[in-house]
Amino acid sequence: NAGVMQNPRHLVRRRGQEARLRCSPMKGHSHVYWYRQLPEEGLKFMVYLQKENIIDESGMPKERFSAEFPKEGPSILRIQQVVRGDSAAYFCASSPGQSDYEQYFGPGTRLTVT
Amino acid sequence: GDSVTQMEGPVTLSEEAFLTINCTYTATGYPSLFWYVQYPGEGLQLLLKATKADDKGSNKGFEATYRKETTSFHLEKGSVQVSDSAVYFCALSRNFGNEKLTFGTGTRLTIIP
Repeated sequence: NAGVMQNPRHLVRRRGQEARLRCSPMKGHSHVYWYRQLPEEGLKFMVYLQKENIIDESGMPKERFSAEFPKEGPSILRIQQVVRGDSAAYFCASSPGQSDYEQYFGPGTRLTVT
Repeated sequence: GDSVTQMEGPVTLSEEAFLTINCTYTATGYPSLFWYVQYPGEGLQLLLKATKADDKGSNKGFEATYRKETTSFHLEKGSVQVSDSAVYFCALSRNFGNEKLTFGTGTRLTIIP
């Protein structure tokens, strides 16, 4: 069973461009979480999604950031008009739900804004 | 709100030394507590967890006990190896993990031969 997949692993964007980060959960997992890790800091929760639903977006910045987890395909974290402060590692985690809530993490996408 | 305070690093130990990484938390009710490990260039892996007071989580020689009275979940290992070098994160979650994880800032551990 393949683990959580994230792509790209590294992404470079210029200020003002859009960044799209993809997360394919483990097979059979219907819950996805996104976290952001700033340099030398811990992970900060951003958003929790189930298929076609946003369950908790309390950690998402109010502007420029959005997330989706469609019925088919990967979860997408989109950052519009990136700024230097968006440079970070973005981690996705998935869990099966339904009494097994352990979160399995992907390898992360390292976003660099130049 | 919920928060996790973790022993600051970096921590450098010699091989076979005893390890303790302190973790305390602030939360109402009875959260679940976790230790995650992150190796260079990789995502986080669950090391161990405890879901109620006095539970002891253990894995790969690491242990941590859920202490409600001191709101702590300290990580210990009796004899560390070079391969234990990594960053360790303490975290909590509600509803047995069916909600977001709240992380500490992480402790970088380096073991020298």
